Amino acid sequence: EAAVTQSPRNKVAVTGGKVTLSCNQTNNHNNMYWYRQDTGHGLRLIHYSYGAGSTEKGDIPDGYKASRPSQENFSLILELATPSQTSVYFCASGDAWGGNQDTQYFGPGTRLLVL
Amino acid sequence: GDSVTQKEGLVTLTEGLPVMLNCTYQTIYSNAFLFWYVHYLNESPRLLLKSSTDNKRTEHQGFHATLHKSSSSFHLQKSSAQLSDSALYYCALSVTEGADRLTFGKGTQLIIQP
Repeated sequence: EAAVTQSPRNKVAVTGGKVTLSCNQTNNHNNMYWYRQDTGHGLRLIHYSYGAGSTEKGDIPDGYKASRPSQENFSLILELATPSQTSVYFCASGDAWGGNQDTQYFGPGTRLLVL
Repeated sequence: GDSVTQKEGLVTLTEGLPVMLNCTYQTIYSNAFLFWYVHYLNESPRLLLKSSTDNKRTEHQGFHATLHKSSSSFHLQKSSAQLSDSALYYCALSVTEGADRLTFGKGTQLIIQP
């Protein structure tokens, strides 16, 4: 079974502060993804990566940066956190074959509250 | 760009009744892969079923769906709802030309009542 872990699981941050969310996968998948989940919006893609050293903008990248230092690790960085970034963040990993995305495996999520 | 529409944000049903969650999609590409993910409370979202074959029924864990490319639909069905089916269900789309990513719908919260 695929394994994706996230840390921290819960985070309270202050407006204007820096927040780093970490994700680790042991599946040896090339692709990793960061989503946020909000009621009424579902899962929205923030950033994704094709492999170590690569980051790509998703649908809602503003206010977020990403870093993929290795195959296993993918971080989401909020340089200046705002209350609108209060959400539940999910990391996922997966692979594509023939150009189509195969199953994505999700982590347990991080609840972020920005005060 | 590609999009997925889940018309119902909330579906409330009585146990034992049939379930149908709607999913339609838009893409200019012909090679579409459709997915249903399920997210139970306090768990991680996980794949429920997927399909890329037109007009072929796909089944898993009592749920089934058929991809109809003519109507761009991939509705999720179950003959008899169980209390344990209460969860958030996401429909998602992937296309061959689509940069290794999924496009998710907004999700349908399914609540099954006794």
